[in-house]
Amino acid sequence: ETGVTQTPRHLVMGMTNKKSLKCEQHLGHNAMYWYKQSAKKPLELMFVYSLEERVENNSVPSRFSPECPNSSHLFLHLHTLQPEDSALYLCASSPGVASPEAFFGQGTRLTVV
Amino acid sequence: SQQGEEDPQALSIQEGENATMNCSYKTSINNLQWYRQNSGRGLVHLILIRSNEREKHSGRLRVTLDTSKKSSSLLITASRAADTASYFCATHGAGSYQLTFGKGTKLSVIP
Repeated sequence: ETGVTQTPRHLVMGMTNKKSLKCEQHLGHNAMYWYKQSAKKPLELMFVYSLEERVENNSVPSRFSPECPNSSHLFLHLHTLQPEDSALYLCASSPGVASPEAFFGQGTRLTVV
Repeated sequence: SQQGEEDPQALSIQEGENATMNCSYKTSINNLQWYRQNSGRGLVHLILIRSNEREKHSGRLRVTLDTSKKSSSLLITASRAADTASYFCATHGAGSYQLTFGKGTKLSVIP
């Protein structure tokens, strides 16, 4: 256990569905991240939050909408996704955005049909 | 832009042998880290080496860093079947708070 919990672990959704991924960290960290891991590609940083404020958005399509209501919780709202969005979505946290080490959750395996 | 790039992409060894994985990167870094990922699961931090360090040890892990060549290596000694996983290097750039990952090396340790 890394102290970062993601739910659900697996999700299958249609292209017209709306769903949300949830991440919760119990480490008292101030920074939280969403990464996307596709087959045969490096991990891609999607969003960075520091103290509930978004500080980085790496040109992610608007069909992905993050929300950080407090420093312990992070959501990724999904709507009208495409099959190529199927991937493992990983949440991570760190003490602060300048802290080097990241603690990852187990990920949500998303399949878009 | 992609920073770390691991080599080889896949490595298969017998239990008890040593495994060496390499990572190359392109720009200045504050530190370089190695992570491990079991199939389809989250990443686990293994070890961090700062830009002013040349070698670091943690249990059976040994990491080296050569900033002049912009490269790092991870050595796992006396490998075990449980070491089977993908290993990623990640760089923390100078003046940046982003971690940039490579594509990883898939290690298989055969019992």
